[in-house]
Amino acid sequence: NAGVTQTPKFQVLKTGQSMTLQCAQDMNHNSMYWYRQDPGMGLRLIYYSASEGTTDKGEVPNGYNVSRLNKREFSLRLESAAPSQTSVYFCASSGSAGVPNEQFFGPGTRLTVL
Amino acid sequence: SQQGEEDPQALSIQEGENATMNCSYKTSINNLQWYRQNSGRGLVHLILIRSNEREKHSGRLRVTLDTSKKSSSLLITASRAADTASYFCATDPVADSWGKLQFGAGTQVVVTP
Repeated sequence: NAGVTQTPKFQVLKTGQSMTLQCAQDMNHNSMYWYRQDPGMGLRLIYYSASEGTTDKGEVPNGYNVSRLNKREFSLRLESAAPSQTSVYFCASSGSAGVPNEQFFGPGTRLTVL
Repeated sequence: SQQGEEDPQALSIQEGENATMNCSYKTSINNLQWYRQNSGRGLVHLILIRSNEREKHSGRLRVTLDTSKKSSSLLITASRAADTASYFCATDPVADSWGKLQFGAGTQVVVTP
């Protein structure tokens, strides 16, 4: 089992460009999450999907959109990248929202916006 | 907003010593979790303690939870160089029923041989 996979690992964009970060999990988890991590800070939730077919905003959703394509895949799109979106992005999944359990994290995508 | 705040921000110890870090939070929680992050990697879950538990052990890890003080501590005993990492606490607030975790800024631990 690969767990949670993310592509790409690194990306450099120019201001105004768009891109989609891909995430997939093979643990049959219901819930998936997108976080960003900035230096000296913990993770901040961008969007989450409690179950297939549902998505909802987290703490910092502005400038992002998501798609829960199916139970396995949850993508994050930046429509018009800004330098403030330079960060490391992590995808995570967990068994079920509302049930106390751990989250499993992908290796991250390092995004630089020039 | 960050619910959990870790203390200290950084910790440097020698192999064999114990490492203790603390987490304080602001609102009532369902559970509190600790994660480890090695440099450049994703987070790895270490331990989960529910609000009705006071202490939990896992190998060389010991976690305590004091809900009256809204604080938790993580103790790593007999530390090894491989324990060098950042450690984050994450709270699952009662006010949020969807299990969305709120992470602190982390404690950076360096264990020297």
